[in-house]
Amino acid sequence: EPEVTQTPSHQVTQMGQEVILRCVPISNHLYFYWYRQILGQKVEFLVSFYNNEISEKSEIFDDQFSVERPDGSNFTLKIRSTKLEDSAMYFCASRDSLLNQPQHFGDGTRLSIL
Amino acid sequence: QQQVKQSPQSLIVQKGGIPIINCAYENTAFDYFPWYQQFPGKGPALLIAIRPDVSEKKEGRFTISFNKSAKQFSLHIMDSQPGDSATYFCAAQRNTDKLIFGTGTRLQVFP
Repeated sequence: EPEVTQTPSHQVTQMGQEVILRCVPISNHLYFYWYRQILGQKVEFLVSFYNNEISEKSEIFDDQFSVERPDGSNFTLKIRSTKLEDSAMYFCASRDSLLNQPQHFGDGTRLSIL
Repeated sequence: QQQVKQSPQSLIVQKGGIPIINCAYENTAFDYFPWYQQFPGKGPALLIAIRPDVSEKKEGRFTISFNKSAKQFSLHIMDSQPGDSATYFCAAQRNTDKLIFGTGTRLQVFP
């Protein structure tokens, strides 16, 4: 069964450094999402992406965050200058264009900011 | 209005029991209600989903009951097994928009 893959599985970075989290969505999917989950808490929406542009972003997704689909397969989340509170699991999800279809999630990247 | 409220926060049952997890929503524009199962260190995995024009859906041991007028839906796990021990999230979505997740229920099934 096709799946969403995310790399790296764990990223440790010093505060203030830039990080790029990578995702390969399911190949025929057209809608892409990033979510994050702080340890022990619920999954929170960050941003959705369709047709090479952001569809919606949450309050969390400030100017330090950006997303890109640099080629036909990858979907990246960049945090320009990381803060301690950015420490979380980051999940990528994708879905196809049909109505009432589920979003499929990757296993996430655990981001630890020191 | 965008919230999805989920209860209980945690649930402990014995093998063979029927845990029930409840969710409630406000926004009547939501048109898709999935349940996700999450094991430690893994991403949420779709378990079962329902549309608001259906009152019940069964897939194997998992059943969703949906009450559109009350704006509530629930997950029942029949004949629960220790392997069902995980965190369960309800969610709601409108069209291709973001998923709004509930706060999660940690289920432990003891042998």
